[in-house]
Order: sequence, then structure tokens, then C-alpha cells
Amino acid sequence: DTGVSQDPRHKITKRGQNVTFRCDPISEHNRLYWYRQTLGQGPEFLTYFQNEAQLEKSRLLSDRFSAERPKGSFSTLEIQRTEQGDSAMYLCASSLARGGTYNEQFFGPGTRLTVL
Amino acid sequence: GDSVTQMEGPVTLSEEAFLTINCTYTATGYPSLFWYVQYPGEGLQLLLKATKADDKGSNKGFEATYRKETTSFHLEKGSVQVSDSAVYFCALVYNFNKFYFGSGTKLNVKP
Repeated sequence: DTGVSQDPRHKITKRGQNVTFRCDPISEHNRLYWYRQTLGQGPEFLTYFQNEAQLEKSRLLSDRFSAERPKGSFSTLEIQRTEQGDSAMYLCASSLARGGTYNEQFFGPGTRLTVL
Repeated sequence: GDSVTQMEGPVTLSEEAFLTINCTYTATGYPSLFWYVQYPGEGLQLLLKATKADDKGSNKGFEATYRKETTSFHLEKGSVQVSDSAVYFCALVYNFNKFYFGSGTKLNVKP
């Protein structure tokens, strides 16, 4: 399977704990995106990388959230001191961007976080 | 700011019925428009897209036309099947290739 993969698929944690999610994009894709999806809503943009550079962060991404893509391949999203409001599905997507043209984003299955 | 509004669900139809899911958008520039589908337990999949006004996207019997004058991108299918049961998301891409998604419309198709 050469699609976008995410790990873990499900995470249950207690309030105040730190969690880290991993995303492995399609291997040749240079762009990687993180989205958050709450129940009954569409995905909301959090941040994206072009290679290892983080080019934009949403205001939704508070100081407790940090994302990295150290070698321009896989990415991690860490949430520190989790709160119940962080409970959501965290989606990763990747694309191959060339010049100014749009290229399709391929989504992973998501990591469902539940904060108790 | 940029946003997408789509009709609330769930939409329940009988097999072979005609489907319309409404989507309107607000954008400060000239976005590309998309429909994504999410089947139960699976990730989002691109269904169709249109990159400029009057373009028609089509795939698997679904169609949508980019209407700049009405800022709409309504999804249609002439004859739905039980296998079309899923959540459908309208979205636009503008600046930096980040998506703005609608809230999704759940479609239930009964045999």
C-alpha cells in the first residue's frame, strides 16, 4: 500500500498528558498537511510543510501544538497538556506540488484522539 | 474570509433516485472547487474537481459545475446506489493549497 499512513489510528489519553501522532506521506510527495476534524464538521486546516519547512500555521494551532517534519519525509504532531477540547480526528494529507499548479491532496485514515 | 457552506444532512434516498447536494462558497479570489467523499471507516477521497468557472467535474456518475455567478458547486447524480452511502464534503483551495471544507452531508441510500 503506497498511500498516506497514520499511526496510531486511535489514542485515548487523560487530560494533561502529552500525545504524539505520526504521518507517513506518499514517498515522492513534497507537501504534507495536517487537519483536524471534529464530529459533524469538515476538516480544518492546521499546518503544512513543503519538504522540511513549515510554511503556514493556522490560528487553531495553539502553543500546545507542535508539528515537525525533520527530514522532509514523515511528520509528527505533538499535543502537550491535552484538554478535552482536543478530542477530534487528526488527518494528514500529502501532495506533490510543482510550480504554481495545484496537485491533488491524498488523505490518510486519520488518528482519532479521545481525551478523558 | 474564504468559506464553504453545504446543505445539512442526513439525506436519505431510495436506490436509483436523483441526488443533489448543494454547496456555495465565499472566496476573495479564484479558487478551485472540489467534492471529497468519506466512506465509513475510510479516509477522504477526491471525487471530482473543477479549477475555473464553468468547468464541470465528473466521476463515477457524479457531476458538479463551477458556477461563478451563483458561487455554487452543487453535486448531482442521476441514479444513486446503496454503495454511494457516505459523507460528502465540498471544499475550495485558495492560497498555499490549503483546503477549506464544508461541514459535510451524510447520504443514506436505501435498497
